[in-house]
Amino acid sequence: DTGVSQDPRHKITKRGQNVTFRCDPISEHNRLYWYRQTLGQGPEFLTYFQNEAQLEKSRLLSDRFSAERPKGSFSTLEIQRTEQGDSAMYLCASGTPGGASGELFFGEGSRLTVL
Amino acid sequence: ILNVEQSPQSLHVQEGDSTNFTCSFPSSNFYALHWYRWETAKSPEALFVMTLNGDEKKKGRISATLNTKEGYSYLYIKGSQPEDSATYLCARSRQSGSARQLTFGSGTQLTVLP
Repeated sequence: DTGVSQDPRHKITKRGQNVTFRCDPISEHNRLYWYRQTLGQGPEFLTYFQNEAQLEKSRLLSDRFSAERPKGSFSTLEIQRTEQGDSAMYLCASGTPGGASGELFFGEGSRLTVL
Repeated sequence: ILNVEQSPQSLHVQEGDSTNFTCSFPSSNFYALHWYRWETAKSPEALFVMTLNGDEKKKGRISATLNTKEGYSYLYIKGSQPEDSATYLCARSRQSGSARQLTFGSGTQLTVLP
């Protein structure tokens, strides 16, 4: 499968713990996005990388959240000191600058439950 | 319109019925309108990307139209089948440097009853 892959698919953690999600984009894509989707809402933009550079961060991304893409390939999203409000589906997407009007390809998401 | 809004929120139709959903979006700084289909436990799948006012796109039984001046798009499904059951998301991208980030609506959840 050469699509976007995310790991883990599901994570249950206790409040206060740290969690890390990984995203492997489509190999030739240099744009990588993280989105968060909560129940009843559409995905909300968190952050964007072009190659290894993090070019945009949403105000939703509090200082407990950090994202990296060290070699311009895979990316990680870490949440420190998780809170119950962090429970959501975390989606990763990738694309190319010349892609059809900014089309993005999504992974299946990592669902986080904070108890 | 300040945000991307979709209606209805959910919809149940019988197999064979035709149906349509609405996506409303801010028309300023418009770049493209995207439709995605998101089935449970799968990744959102791109259906259409439209950029020009008056654009119409079709893929099998599904089609979409775009009006950028008034800020709306319609998605039509002809002869709905149970496998069409999914959440249909629309998203607008705006001119924003190189990011072209998408702003999503909350989706229309379609259930097609056999």
